[in-house]
Amino acid sequence: AQSVAQPEDQVNVAEGNPLTVKCTYSVSGNPYLFWYVQYPNRGLQFLLKYITGDNLVKGSYGFEAEFNKSQTSFHLKKPSALVSDSALYFCAVRPLNTGFQKLVFGTGTRLLVSP
Amino acid sequence: NAGVTQTPKFRVLKTGQSMTLLCAQDMNHEYMYWYRQDPGMGLRLIHYSVGEGTTAKGEVPDGYNVSRLKKQNFLLGLESAAPSQTSVYFCASGKGGAIDTEAFFGQGTRLTVV
Repeated sequence: AQSVAQPEDQVNVAEGNPLTVKCTYSVSGNPYLFWYVQYPNRGLQFLLKYITGDNLVKGSYGFEAEFNKSQTSFHLKKPSALVSDSALYFCAVRPLNTGFQKLVFGTGTRLLVSP
Repeated sequence: NAGVTQTPKFRVLKTGQSMTLLCAQDMNHEYMYWYRQDPGMGLRLIHYSVGEGTTAKGEVPDGYNVSRLKKQNFLLGLESAAPSQTSVYFCASGKGGAIDTEAFFGQGTRLTVV
């Protein structure tokens, strides 16, 4: 069965600094990988996805993620953090060619960007 | 541009009471999903539907029932609420199938069972 690990419960970064939110995964075969963001009292919003192709994926709000097959990782990055990026971030994985109902979410990482 | 709407947004129940959570989507999506979100556990799939009149069990279906009588609505029922069902519930919808790469989520329902 597939699984996702987000090793950090919280990441603290100062505004303007680069940020990284870590994610590693386990799945049979090739993965579909996703990042979602959840702002307070809101549902999850799609940020970006990796299906195939270029290992560096660009998404919404200036975020990007790098797929590393050998390390089974899909870390979320942003070159310059904003206070408004403070939110809860979820990594998710499902096997290639399966439906959304097979998606497995990580436990989430809270990002706190200080002014 | 409503997207996915959940009703109610907050609810407090006594143990043993019943209730129904309503999810409505206006994007003509075939697939709909109910998740629960608990601290330190991420989102877990309760039930899902691949089309009008169909339902299927997810990872944590016990204690819940669902119905999809209309394409745009997906109802989640708790027949006899238990404190373990205290959680935040999210509904989502999507086009479905292996080509579906994202889903749209509602704002959530915070349920407390006392």
